[in-house]
Amino acid sequence: EVELVESGGGLVQPGGSLRLSCAASRISFSDYWMSWVRQAPGKGLEWVANIDQGGSEQYYADSVTGRFSISRDNAKKFLYLQMNRLRVEDTAVYYCTREKIQDEAPGGFDSWGQGILVTVSS
Amino acid sequence: DIVMTQSPDSLAVSLGERATINCKSSQSLLHSSNNKNYLAWYQQKPGHPPKLLIYWASTRHSGVPERFSGSGSGTDFTLTISSLQADDVALYYCHQYYNTPRTFGPGTTVDIK
Repeated sequence: EVELVESGGGLVQPGGSLRLSCAASRISFSDYWMSWVRQAPGKGLEWVANIDQGGSEQYYADSVTGRFSISRDNAKKFLYLQMNRLRVEDTAVYYCTREKIQDEAPGGFDSWGQGILVTVSS
Repeated sequence: DIVMTQSPDSLAVSLGERATINCKSSQSLLHSSNNKNYLAWYQQKPGHPPKLLIYWASTRHSGVPERFSGSGSGTDFTLTISSLQADDVALYYCHQYYNTPRTFGPGTTVDIK
């Protein structure tokens, strides 16, 4: 079974930076689009960003564009999220997810990490 | 952006009875290239990440019990739990992956009556 493990979360002041990492195992990592999805305390799910298999295409939610950067290292099987100029409203559990592919068509997010909490507060 | 709405916000159903959740998208999720609807359903329990239940609107993900089924096409979709079990108490989200940004519905809470 696919395993995704996030790390790098914690408490940061507004305006600060954090880098989240996601270690993937038991997966052909380089075959899949990967995403970050977040969930503010007591709230719903919000897609943050995704990246293609080779790392050349990245897309972002409007709420994080210009502040967050997604990247990957296929050799090490790691996904990253560099978060700069953090705001209080970025406080959330951040999930690393894999986008399912079947018959060459996407099929939603079929693997999720356990999530890592990022708290932005003074 | 594609806006996803869900109804009801919450529902309580007796054990063994049917639970039905509706999801509507602001534009069609039917992909013309393969005639598939790019719509998924997830189940989330407190303190845990979401689990994929249904993709392509009606295809059950591996390991998902047969009592979960999805239907619909275009802009209107439904998740049905045919015979509610205690283990099904959770939040349920619909999700469109037709385009970017990916978006989710606000969620529907299912509880036991």
